[in-house]
Amino acid sequence: EVQLLDSGGGLVQPGGSLRLSCAASGFTFTNNAMSWVRQAPGKGLEWVSGIFGGGDSPWYADSVKGRFTVSRDNSKKMVYLQMNSLRVEDTAVYYCARFRGSGSYKAYSFDSWGQGTLVTVSS
Amino acid sequence: QSVLTQPPSVSGAPGQRVTISCTGSSSNIGAGYDVHWYQQHPGAAPKLLIYGNSNRPSGVPDRFSGSKSGTSASLAITGLQAEDEADYYCQSYDSSLNGYVFGAGTKVTVL
Repeated sequence: EVQLLDSGGGLVQPGGSLRLSCAASGFTFTNNAMSWVRQAPGKGLEWVSGIFGGGDSPWYADSVKGRFTVSRDNSKKMVYLQMNSLRVEDTAVYYCARFRGSGSYKAYSFDSWGQGTLVTVSS
Repeated sequence: QSVLTQPPSVSGAPGQRVTISCTGSSSNIGAGYDVHWYQQHPGAAPKLLIYGNSNRPSGVPDRFSGSKSGTSASLAITGLQAEDEADYYCQSYDSSLNGYVFGAGTKVTVL
């Protein structure tokens, strides 16, 4: 069974940093690209970042580019999201999600999700 | 404002059929990118319901079906059940934004 366990959320002041972690199990980790998707309180879903199975060529939504960095440790089956220069509008539940798809990454969907971890940016 | 437009809410009686539309543009659905659908119950993580416009992952009942035409897509739920009450989101890729985009979500209420 595929399992994704998100952790690392908390309360941080504007301008601060936080690192989220996602522990994966139940599948061949290097076979899948991974992503982060967030959901502000009472709002819809917003894709944040993605990283291929080999850890190369991460890509980001414009709203976080230059501030967030996604990485993965395939030996530990872990995905990370380093969030710097946090803003109030980054407040959300952050989900780790597994990409589904072969071929073009533009056709990917998100087929497994973590339980989410809440990040609150407030003074 | 979301790139993909969904109705805020739809409702139906148990056993009825409801449909949720997802309207995009020439930079996403109209460009030929696949549409995927997710179900989210309150307090829970989203769940993939339909991928690649019309495909159901293993375990998803065949009461759920998806279609796509032009710049729009639709999710249909037939034989509506109480447990179908949830939020539903469509998702695709947008070439102008170079990223994945979601609709704002549609709340399905079972009367």
